[in-house]
Amino acid sequence: DAKTTQPNSMESNEEEPVHLPCNHSTISGTDYIHWYRQLPSQGPEYVIHGLTSNVNNRMASLAIAEDRKSSTLILHRATLRDAAVYYCILRDRFSGNTPLVFGKGTRLSVIA
Amino acid sequence: DAGVIQSPRHEVTEMGQEVTLRCKPISGHDYLFWYRQTMMRGLELLIYFNNNVPIDDSGMPEDRFSAKMPNASFSTLKIQPSEPRDSAVYFCASSSLLRGISGDTQYFGPGTRLTVL
Repeated sequence: DAKTTQPNSMESNEEEPVHLPCNHSTISGTDYIHWYRQLPSQGPEYVIHGLTSNVNNRMASLAIAEDRKSSTLILHRATLRDAAVYYCILRDRFSGNTPLVFGKGTRLSVIA
Repeated sequence: DAGVIQSPRHEVTEMGQEVTLRCKPISGHDYLFWYRQTMMRGLELLIYFNNNVPIDDSGMPEDRFSAKMPNASFSTLKIQPSEPRDSAVYFCASSSLLRGISGDTQYFGPGTRLTVL
């Protein structure tokens, strides 16, 4: 899997939007961009994924740059429950169910 | 669905003892993964199975670690003998190759926190 780069930590105020960046300059044309997060004392959980177009779901939005070399996970209104480590992971669409390769992720702190 | 179930949630043992961690994947999922998380190394894959068959065990640290999947609904990770450096949180995850709603999303269990004294 191609490498991703994320800031080590970010901080947000509660009920404000949060933009978590991820750089993946070596992304290939067949790589999906996946985001997982890990809440304290829990296993990682899937957040969202996309290929080229921006994506929305009930948890978040994913904005993908036109050249696909970067993406941003958007939490529209951060809550205390969103405090977690967020992982940006590239996965080849033809690789099947291969293991996830986790980097260090971004630790998001949410301030009340 | 109850999600991925792991037991025990916490295990404290003494060096040299055998430890067995258990995992029940989500029903219908045909892939099962074992990961380990430590402060130093983060989350790393140990081994994964497809249709109960081990596909890649290159992440298993050494011969003290073994994993089995006797059927589609149960897997074990055994450490014998255990050492203090094995202290970590061990996660089991499952997924399905069927694309659609879940695609290849992996669903993680709550983990087993292992402490080897």
